[in-house]
Amino acid sequence: GAGVSQSPRYKVAKRGQDVALRCDPISGHVSLFWYQQALGQGPEFLTYFQNEAQLDKSGLPSDRFFAERPEGSVSTLKIQRTQQEDSAVYLCASSLRDRGISTGELFFGEGSRLTVL
Amino acid sequence: GNSVTQMEGPVTLSEEAFLTINCTYTATGYPSLFWYVQYPGEGLQLLLKATKADDKGSNKGFEATYRKETTSFHLEKGSVQVSDSAVYFCALSDLTDSWGKLQFGAGTQVVVTP
Repeated sequence: GAGVSQSPRYKVAKRGQDVALRCDPISGHVSLFWYQQALGQGPEFLTYFQNEAQLDKSGLPSDRFFAERPEGSVSTLKIQRTQQEDSAVYLCASSLRDRGISTGELFFGEGSRLTVL
Repeated sequence: GNSVTQMEGPVTLSEEAFLTINCTYTATGYPSLFWYVQYPGEGLQLLLKATKADDKGSNKGFEATYRKETTSFHLEKGSVQVSDSAVYFCALSDLTDSWGKLQFGAGTQVVVTP
């Protein structure tokens, strides 16, 4: 596709429910990133993939958060037993090069806004 | 650890006014510095970047100079337009840290009125 696509754009979950957020990166992009953006804040790094390998997951806030990219393209961020503090916009970004971050050439999706009631 | 601090918004300006958004950083290594912009209803977009001290990034009339001595990367534009209304984020990446991470500031909302 022309850009990074994320779905759903909006998700409302009851506390305790599991949610899955999908990211379709730009075709051919090797690197994929997930960020969490709380209201009024800048994005916070969650995890990074190079192809199907998850090279850095140091930003995942708890073991309720899990991300995968099994075939090196589409990625899913899963949040189990959602809590109110998980309410945020979840951003996906992709980059063509494995060291794309060194030039800042990240292409962001519009995000998935999660609201946990 | 690394951090980015930028001026709080909202910043409200009239069209053709001069815009400055201050950004300072702390980093243990040799960061690259970026400005990203988020227009209403759109995803974050890279606006400009600088990868070493004294570099000047520029795009769409915006400029920012990487000042190592003051650990700053202030964003400027000489004459803003209504279409520049957006949220602006200063960010850094430090290759001595995980190169998978961008460290963002909190963002500065800019509102330009006709």
